[in-house]
Amino acid sequence: QPVLTQSSSASASLGSSVKLTCTLSSGRSNYVIIWHQHQPGKAPRYLMKVESSGSYNKGSGVPDRFSGSSSGADRYLTISNLQSEDEADYYCETWDSNSWVFGGGTSLTVL
Amino acid sequence: QVQLQQSGPGLVKPSQTLSLTCAISGDSVSSKNSAWNWIRQSPSRGLEWLGRTYYRTKWNNDYAVSVKSRININPDTSKNQFSLQLNFVTPEDTAVYYCARSQADIDYWGQGSLVTVSS
Repeated sequence: QPVLTQSSSASASLGSSVKLTCTLSSGRSNYVIIWHQHQPGKAPRYLMKVESSGSYNKGSGVPDRFSGSSSGADRYLTISNLQSEDEADYYCETWDSNSWVFGGGTSLTVL
Repeated sequence: QVQLQQSGPGLVKPSQTLSLTCAISGDSVSSKNSAWNWIRQSPSRGLEWLGRTYYRTKWNNDYAVSVKSRININPDTSKNQFSLQLNFVTPEDTAVYYCARSQADIDYWGQGSLVTVSS
C-alpha cells in the first residue's frame, strides 16, 4: 500500500475552484505533507505544508488562490479562481521510514 | 532565493556510471540547516528519492535502499555544489533526475536532467 495516494487526473473550468486530495496510508493520519506544483518545462515548485490539524503554510510567492486543509488521513490542496497557468502536475510528499516519499501526482487540466 | 543548476551528460551506456552535478546559489552546501538531495522521475516509478548529503558536525549521507549498493552523493565545498554518481546503470535507470534542497521539507528543486541509459 503506497504511503501517499493521489488521483491521476482532475479537470476544472477557468475561473472555478478545484480540490485535490492526497491520502495517507493506514497509521499515518498525523503526518505532515507538502504540496509541490510542476508546470511543464519548469522546475517543480514548493507550494505549501499541510498539517493534520488543517493548518497550512505556503511558500514564498504562492498566490492567495492556493490553500490547504485536512480531514483524517486526507490532505487537500484547493485552488480557487483557476488560471491557465495552474495547469500542471501536483505532487504530495512526506518523510517516512528515513526517506522522502511522493504520491503519484495529479495532472490538472484547466478547461 | 536559492537556485540549483544541474549539469551532466544526457546519455550513458549500460553498466557505466551516471554522473550529475548540482551547483548551488543562495545557500551553502555546508549549511547546518540544509540537506542536498537527488530525486528521479520515470513513468514506471514516478518520483523516487535517491539520497542526500548534509553537514552537521560532520558530513553525512542517507541513501534509498533501492540504490544503496551503487550510489554516491558527494559535496564539493570549493565549488559550492554536490554530485550524484550512480554505478552500473541499466535502461531502468533512464529518468529525469532532479537535485533538491531540503530543510524541514524539500523546498527548492533543480530544473531536471533527462538521462537516458542506452548503448
